[in-house]
Amino acid sequence: DAKTTQPTSMDCAEGRAANLPCNHSTISGNEYVYWYRQIHSQGPQYIIHGLKNNETNEMASLIITEDRKSSTLILPHATLRDTAVYYCIVRVARQTGTYKYIFGTGTRLKVLA
Amino acid sequence: NAGVTQTPKFQVLKTGQSMTLQCAQDMNHNSMYWYRQDPGMGLRLIYYSASEGTTDKGEVPNGYNVSRLNKREFSLRLESAAPSQTSVYFCASSEIGEQYFGPGTRLTVT
Repeated sequence: DAKTTQPTSMDCAEGRAANLPCNHSTISGNEYVYWYRQIHSQGPQYIIHGLKNNETNEMASLIITEDRKSSTLILPHATLRDTAVYYCIVRVARQTGTYKYIFGTGTRLKVLA
Repeated sequence: NAGVTQTPKFQVLKTGQSMTLQCAQDMNHNSMYWYRQDPGMGLRLIYYSASEGTTDKGEVPNGYNVSRLNKREFSLRLESAAPSQTSVYFCASSEIGEQYFGPGTRLTVT
Protein backbone atom coordinates (compact mmCIF):
# COMPACT_ATOMS: atom_id res chain seq x y z
CA ASP A 1 0.00 0.00 0.00
CA ALA A 2 1.11 3.52 -0.70
CA LYS A 3 2.59 5.38 2.24
CA THR A 4 2.92 9.09 2.78
CA THR A 5 5.76 11.15 4.21
CA GLN A 6 5.22 14.61 5.66
CA PRO A 7 7.33 17.05 7.67
CA THR A 8 6.65 16.77 11.38
CA SER A 9 5.92 20.45 11.89
CA MET A 10 5.76 23.82 10.14
CA ASP A 11 5.14 27.42 11.09
CA CYS A 12 3.36 30.01 8.96
CA ALA A 13 2.69 33.71 9.51
CA GLU A 14 -0.95 34.71 9.72
CA GLY A 15 -2.21 35.98 6.37
CA ARG A 16 0.49 34.23 4.39
CA ALA A 17 0.09 31.12 2.30
CA ALA A 18 0.80 27.83 4.04
CA ASN A 19 2.33 25.21 1.74
CA LEU A 20 2.28 21.71 3.17
CA PRO A 21 4.24 19.08 1.20
CA CYS A 22 3.62 15.35 1.03
CA ASN A 23 5.54 12.54 -0.62
CA HIS A 24 3.68 9.45 -1.85
CA SER A 25 6.21 7.91 -4.19
CA THR A 26 4.61 4.43 -4.22
CA ILE A 27 1.12 5.62 -5.13
CA SER A 28 -0.70 3.60 -7.79
CA GLY A 29 -2.44 5.06 -10.81
CA ASN A 30 -5.98 4.83 -9.46
CA GLU A 31 -5.28 5.90 -5.87
CA TYR A 32 -6.49 9.28 -4.74
CA VAL A 33 -4.68 11.69 -2.44
CA TYR A 34 -6.82 13.07 0.37
CA TRP A 35 -6.06 15.79 2.87
CA TYR A 36 -7.64 16.05 6.30
CA ARG A 37 -6.91 18.17 9.29
CA GLN A 38 -7.42 17.65 12.99
CA ILE A 39 -7.87 20.59 15.31
CA HIS A 40 -6.95 19.79 18.91
CA SER A 41 -8.30 16.28 19.41
CA GLN A 42 -11.49 16.67 17.41
CA GLY A 43 -12.43 14.25 14.67
CA PRO A 44 -10.46 14.76 11.45
CA GLN A 45 -12.05 17.15 8.98
CA TYR A 46 -11.97 16.64 5.23
CA ILE A 47 -10.22 19.37 3.24
CA ILE A 48 -9.72 18.31 -0.37
CA HIS A 49 -8.76 15.38 -2.59
CA GLY A 50 -7.40 14.75 -6.07
CA LEU A 51 -6.17 12.14 -8.50
CA LYS A 52 -4.07 13.81 -11.19
CA ASN A 53 -5.22 17.36 -11.75
CA ASN A 54 -4.84 20.28 -9.42
CA GLU A 55 -7.92 20.96 -7.35
CA THR A 56 -9.27 23.98 -5.55
CA ASN A 57 -12.17 24.49 -3.18
CA GLU A 58 -13.21 27.11 -0.66
CA MET A 59 -10.73 25.83 1.90
CA ALA A 60 -7.56 25.05 -0.03
CA SER A 61 -5.76 24.13 -3.23
CA LEU A 62 -4.10 20.82 -3.99
CA ILE A 63 -1.18 20.65 -6.38
CA ILE A 64 -0.19 17.16 -7.54
CA THR A 65 3.04 16.67 -9.49
CA GLU A 66 2.83 15.21 -12.96
CA ASP A 67 4.42 11.92 -11.84
CA ARG A 68 1.98 11.88 -8.88
CA LYS A 69 4.78 11.09 -6.45
CA SER A 70 4.18 14.17 -4.36
CA SER A 71 1.61 16.84 -3.66
CA THR A 72 1.27 20.17 -1.86
CA LEU A 73 -1.68 21.47 0.07
CA ILE A 74 -1.96 25.24 -0.07
CA LEU A 75 -3.93 27.31 2.42
CA PRO A 76 -3.90 30.66 0.59
CA HIS A 77 -4.34 32.99 3.57
CA ALA A 78 -3.64 31.14 6.79
CA THR A 79 -5.47 32.24 9.92
CA LEU A 80 -4.93 31.31 13.57
CA ARG A 81 -7.87 28.91 13.26
CA ASP A 82 -5.88 26.91 10.70
CA THR A 83 -3.49 25.75 13.42
CA ALA A 84 -3.94 21.97 13.33
CA VAL A 85 -2.37 18.66 12.35
CA TYR A 86 -2.69 18.10 8.59
CA TYR A 87 -2.79 14.57 7.25
CA CYS A 88 -1.95 13.57 3.72
CA ILE A 89 -3.63 10.25 2.99
CA VAL A 90 -3.67 7.83 0.11
CA ARG A 91 -7.00 6.11 -0.49
CA VAL A 92 -6.55 2.50 -1.52
CA ALA A 93 -9.40 0.45 -3.01
CA ARG A 94 -10.16 -2.88 -1.37
CA GLN A 95 -11.61 -5.95 -3.04
CA THR A 96 -14.65 -5.61 -0.78
CA GLY A 97 -15.57 -2.40 -2.54
CA THR A 98 -14.60 -0.16 0.35
CA TYR A 99 -11.54 2.01 0.65
CA LYS A 100 -8.62 2.01 3.04
CA TYR A 101 -7.37 5.41 4.11
CA ILE A 102 -3.77 5.22 5.26
CA PHE A 103 -3.03 7.92 7.81
CA GLY A 104 0.52 8.94 8.63
CA THR A 105 1.56 11.07 11.59
CA GLY A 106 0.79 14.32 9.77
CA THR A 107 2.27 17.82 9.83
CA ARG A 108 1.62 20.01 12.83
CA LEU A 109 1.00 23.49 11.37
CA LYS A 110 1.25 26.44 13.70
CA VAL A 111 -0.02 29.75 12.39
CA LEU A 112 1.73 32.64 14.11
CA ALA A 113 0.15 36.02 14.83
CA ASN B 1 -28.45 16.45 10.16
CA ALA B 2 -26.07 15.46 12.98
CA GLY B 3 -23.52 13.63 10.80
CA VAL B 4 -21.64 11.03 12.86
CA THR B 5 -22.36 10.81 16.57
CA GLN B 6 -20.50 8.81 19.19
CA THR B 7 -21.29 7.88 22.77
CA PRO B 8 -19.93 8.16 25.34
CA LYS B 9 -17.55 11.12 25.02
CA PHE B 10 -15.38 9.98 27.92
CA GLN B 11 -15.00 6.68 29.75
CA VAL B 12 -12.72 5.28 32.43
CA LEU B 13 -12.52 1.51 32.80
CA LYS B 14 -10.65 -0.80 35.09
CA THR B 15 -8.53 -3.56 33.55
CA GLY B 16 -10.73 -6.51 32.65
CA GLN B 17 -13.98 -4.55 32.41
CA SER B 18 -15.99 -4.57 29.23
CA MET B 19 -17.82 -1.82 27.39
CA THR B 20 -19.37 -0.92 24.06
CA LEU B 21 -18.73 2.28 22.14
CA GLN B 22 -21.67 3.40 20.05
CA CYS B 23 -21.61 5.14 16.69
CA ALA B 24 -24.44 6.30 14.48
CA GLN B 25 -24.60 8.22 11.19
CA ASP B 26 -27.55 9.87 9.48
CA MET B 27 -26.04 10.32 6.01
CA ASN B 28 -27.22 6.98 4.63
CA HIS B 29 -23.63 5.88 4.05
CA ASN B 30 -22.86 2.24 3.37
CA SER B 31 -19.35 2.12 4.84
CA MET B 32 -18.44 2.69 8.46
CA TYR B 33 -15.09 2.54 10.28
CA TRP B 34 -13.58 2.43 13.74
CA TYR B 35 -10.14 4.00 14.33
CA ARG B 36 -8.00 4.51 17.37
CA GLN B 37 -5.56 7.37 17.87
CA ASP B 38 -2.80 7.16 20.43
CA PRO B 39 -1.04 10.32 21.65
CA GLY B 40 1.05 11.98 18.94
CA MET B 41 0.09 9.36 16.39
CA GLY B 42 -2.07 9.15 13.32
CA LEU B 43 -5.25 7.12 13.14
CA ARG B 44 -5.11 3.34 12.89
CA LEU B 45 -8.01 1.30 11.56
CA ILE B 46 -9.49 -1.26 13.95
CA TYR B 47 -12.47 -2.61 12.01
CA TYR B 48 -14.60 -1.50 9.13
CA SER B 49 -17.95 -2.41 7.61
CA ALA B 50 -18.48 -2.15 3.87
CA SER B 51 -22.24 -2.47 4.21
CA GLU B 52 -24.95 -3.57 6.58
CA GLY B 53 -24.26 -7.13 7.71
CA THR B 54 -20.56 -7.20 6.85
CA THR B 55 -17.49 -6.43 8.95
CA ASP B 56 -13.77 -6.84 8.35
CA LYS B 57 -10.56 -6.44 10.33
CA GLY B 58 -8.33 -3.45 9.93
CA GLU B 59 -4.73 -2.94 11.08
CA VAL B 60 -5.21 -3.41 14.83
CA PRO B 61 -8.30 -5.61 15.52
CA ASN B 62 -6.99 -7.64 18.48
CA GLY B 63 -8.99 -7.13 21.66
CA TYR B 64 -12.01 -5.68 19.86
CA ASN B 65 -15.27 -6.86 18.34
CA VAL B 66 -17.75 -4.95 16.23
CA SER B 67 -21.40 -5.15 15.25
CA ARG B 68 -23.06 -3.45 12.31
CA LEU B 69 -26.50 -3.32 13.84
CA ASN B 70 -28.17 -1.69 10.83
CA LYS B 71 -27.18 0.80 8.17
CA ARG B 72 -26.97 3.64 10.69
CA GLU B 73 -25.18 2.05 13.62
CA PHE B 74 -21.76 0.45 14.10
CA SER B 75 -20.63 -0.47 17.60
CA LEU B 76 -17.20 -1.37 18.97
CA ARG B 77 -16.89 -3.68 21.96
CA LEU B 78 -13.97 -4.21 24.31
CA GLU B 79 -14.55 -7.54 26.01
CA SER B 80 -11.73 -7.30 28.56
CA ALA B 81 -10.14 -3.88 28.59
CA ALA B 82 -6.37 -3.52 28.92
CA PRO B 83 -4.25 -0.41 29.64
CA SER B 84 -2.88 -0.67 26.08
CA GLN B 85 -6.37 0.17 24.84
CA THR B 86 -6.22 3.62 26.40
CA SER B 87 -6.77 5.83 23.38
CA VAL B 88 -9.17 8.12 21.56
CA TYR B 89 -11.59 6.19 19.40
CA PHE B 90 -13.09 7.70 16.25
CA CYS B 91 -15.93 6.39 14.19
CA ALA B 92 -16.29 7.42 10.55
CA SER B 93 -18.63 6.81 7.65
CA SER B 94 -18.30 7.23 3.93
CA GLU B 95 -19.88 6.51 0.61
CA ILE B 96 -17.59 6.81 -2.40
CA GLY B 97 -15.69 9.90 -1.41
CA GLU B 98 -14.45 11.43 1.79
CA GLN B 99 -14.92 10.01 5.26
CA TYR B 100 -16.89 11.90 7.86
CA PHE B 101 -15.66 11.52 11.42
CA GLY B 102 -17.40 11.64 14.76
CA PRO B 103 -16.13 13.70 17.71
CA GLY B 104 -14.38 10.74 19.35
CA THR B 105 -14.52 8.81 22.61
CA ARG B 106 -11.67 9.25 25.07
CA LEU B 107 -11.11 5.94 26.83
CA THR B 108 -8.77 5.44 29.77
CA VAL B 109 -8.09 1.96 31.11
CA THR B 110 -6.46 1.85 34.55
